[in-house]
Amino acid sequence: KAGVTQTPRYLIKTRGQQVTLSCSPISGHRSVSWYQQTPGQGLQFLFEYFSETQRNKGNFPGRFSGRQFSNSRSEMNVSTLELGDSALYLCASSLSTGAPRQETQYFGPGTRLLVL
Amino acid sequence: QKEVEQNSGPLSVPEGAIASLNCTYSDRGSQSFFWYRQYSGKSPELIMFIYSNGDKEDGRFTAQLNKASQYVSLLIRDSQPSDSATYLCAVNEGPGFQKLVFGTGTRLLVSP
Repeated sequence: KAGVTQTPRYLIKTRGQQVTLSCSPISGHRSVSWYQQTPGQGLQFLFEYFSETQRNKGNFPGRFSGRQFSNSRSEMNVSTLELGDSALYLCASSLSTGAPRQETQYFGPGTRLLVL
Repeated sequence: QKEVEQNSGPLSVPEGAIASLNCTYSDRGSQSFFWYRQYSGKSPELIMFIYSNGDKEDGRFTAQLNKASQYVSLLIRDSQPSDSATYLCAVNEGPGFQKLVFGTGTRLLVSP
């Protein structure tokens, strides 16, 4: 079974631009979560989508948004990029079967974003 | 603010030894606990999850959970140089949530 895939793998943007990242979950997984990883802040939760609805949200500004499609694929958008948005953006998928204590998230390879 | 604490290390052990990695968490309502391994420049890879008090073993890895002490640990037996990586402890915030709270990770160095 194929793992979580993310595109693009690397991206260079300039301040003020916007960017869209894509994530395809493991086949059959219905939940997609997004995380930002930086050397200073570590791994931080952005948001989670399930059945095309945002179910959980982290403490990030409204410039960070996402969506999920009917096939569970998800996109994340960052508008008006700032230098501090440079990070590794990770997508993780899980089955989300309704047994929360046994939910396990599997990570994709990540998209490394550099904002100049 | 829900927190997960880990010693950043590095934790240095010789090849063949047992590596012990520890993690504490602040939210008593936490339900599930995960250990991920992350090699430099790579994404986190799941090693184990645990949600009941006690020990859970998988090959060379044993996860231990003590909810009363809000403490999770990972033991790696017969450590290998290939185990050298950063180990991330993560806690699921609560029922119905898919929001992992991560510690900052412990860097493990296994010397040949």
